[in-house]
Amino acid sequence: NAGVTQTPKFRILKIGQSMTLQCAQDMNHNYMYWYRQDPGMGLKLIYYSVGAGITDKGEVPNGYNVSRSTTEDFPLRLELAAPSQTSVYFCASVGAANTGELFFGEGSRLTVL
Amino acid sequence: DQQVKQNSPSLSVQEGRISILNCDYTNSMFDYFLWYKKYPAEGPTFLISISSIKDKNEDGRFTVFLNKSAKHLSLHIVPSQPGDSAVYFCAASEGRGSTLGRLYFGRGTQLTVWP
Repeated sequence: NAGVTQTPKFRILKIGQSMTLQCAQDMNHNYMYWYRQDPGMGLKLIYYSVGAGITDKGEVPNGYNVSRSTTEDFPLRLELAAPSQTSVYFCASVGAANTGELFFGEGSRLTVL
Repeated sequence: DQQVKQNSPSLSVQEGRISILNCDYTNSMFDYFLWYKKYPAEGPTFLISISSIKDKNEDGRFTVFLNKSAKHLSLHIVPSQPGDSAVYFCAASEGRGSTLGRLYFGRGTQLTVWP
């Protein structure tokens, strides 16, 4: 049972490059989230989705885009990478009851130089 | 504008003793609280939660206490074990089951349990 799978685990980008962080879950969860964690800080919500075709902004959406074409996948797109986007990114999901008891992926560490 | 605050970045406890991790919040609309545990190079995992209609919830060695009037909650681990060494995040939401889908996290407390 894979749970929440994130790829890549590590990536180094140059300023201005673009990339997509992939997230897939196999638990048929309705809700999916992208968080970022900066050193010494808590997790900040970037975007979330309550189901296929529905997405909404979180606390820190600038510089990112998402899509949710299927229940399973929730990719996060970084356009024009900036050093401020250097962070660890976590994807998470939870079922229809939205208990708040999120299942997290292992994280993707992104460095922008 | 941190709505969930964990003011102790680290805590060191001897094995077998009690660990007490604290969390304060400012938003009076929060009514559901959770603790997550995170090991290095892994994602956070859910540990225990409490609704605002309760003041205590227990799960094995882990107990969470909620003081609504003080906007304060704490996680007690008794007895502490070396495997409990991790970062503990406090989180809060404005309602379990809410389609707002938003948890607010504290900055975390690094717990170290030494033999």
